[in-house]
Amino acid sequence: DGGITQSPKYLFRKEGQNVTLSCEQNLNHDAMYWYRQDPGQGLRLIYYSQIVNDFQKGDIAEGYSVSREKKESFPLTVTSAQKNPTAFYLCATQGGSSVAPDASTDTQYFGPGTRLTVL
Amino acid sequence: GDSVTQMEGPVTLSEEAFLTINCTYTATGYPSLFWYVQYPGEGLQLLLKATKADDKGSNKGFEATYRKETTSFHLEKGSVQVSDSAVYFCALSDLRGSTLGRLYFGRGTQLTVWP
Repeated sequence: DGGITQSPKYLFRKEGQNVTLSCEQNLNHDAMYWYRQDPGQGLRLIYYSQIVNDFQKGDIAEGYSVSREKKESFPLTVTSAQKNPTAFYLCATQGGSSVAPDASTDTQYFGPGTRLTVL
Repeated sequence: GDSVTQMEGPVTLSEEAFLTINCTYTATGYPSLFWYVQYPGEGLQLLLKATKADDKGSNKGFEATYRKETTSFHLEKGSVQVSDSAVYFCALSDLRGSTLGRLYFGRGTQLTVWP
């Protein structure tokens, strides 16, 4: 089936450790996004990337880092600086070209998520 | 800035009841509007969308109409089923805004349908 894969599904981290969440896509989409979901708060944008080797901070980037070395991959690292990292993390992609936006490509598609728990 | 305000839940209904989940938005440009659904432990799935005023999105018996005059995009279903139990998110995307392509989400509405 493919689409968007996130791994692992569940991740446990000790305090003070960095962890990296994987997001891979085979949709050939230019844009990729990371969201954090907490109960009752909807989704909040952490980072996003419109093209390879470029990314921008979202609303809650502190304590997180990303890279976009390949179109297919957009890993998220949760660093020890993130004070409250326990949450559900969702990766999303969006099709089309960042140079020529098109209303038909404004839909985002989501992966299955990774649940991170700090012990 | 752009934002979405969504009816707070939880919403509890009996099977075959009528469902409305209210959603209003604020946007500086010309947004596309979306409803996503999330089943327990899963990612979000696109339920329906509308890209311009007066468009009606529909899928699986759910409908929502893009109302520019009231800045609303309320989700409706005439007869809910137990399998509709999930969290529903309203969202907007403003391709012509300064943050190209990002989605702004409401807080989500938990729907529980009892048999």
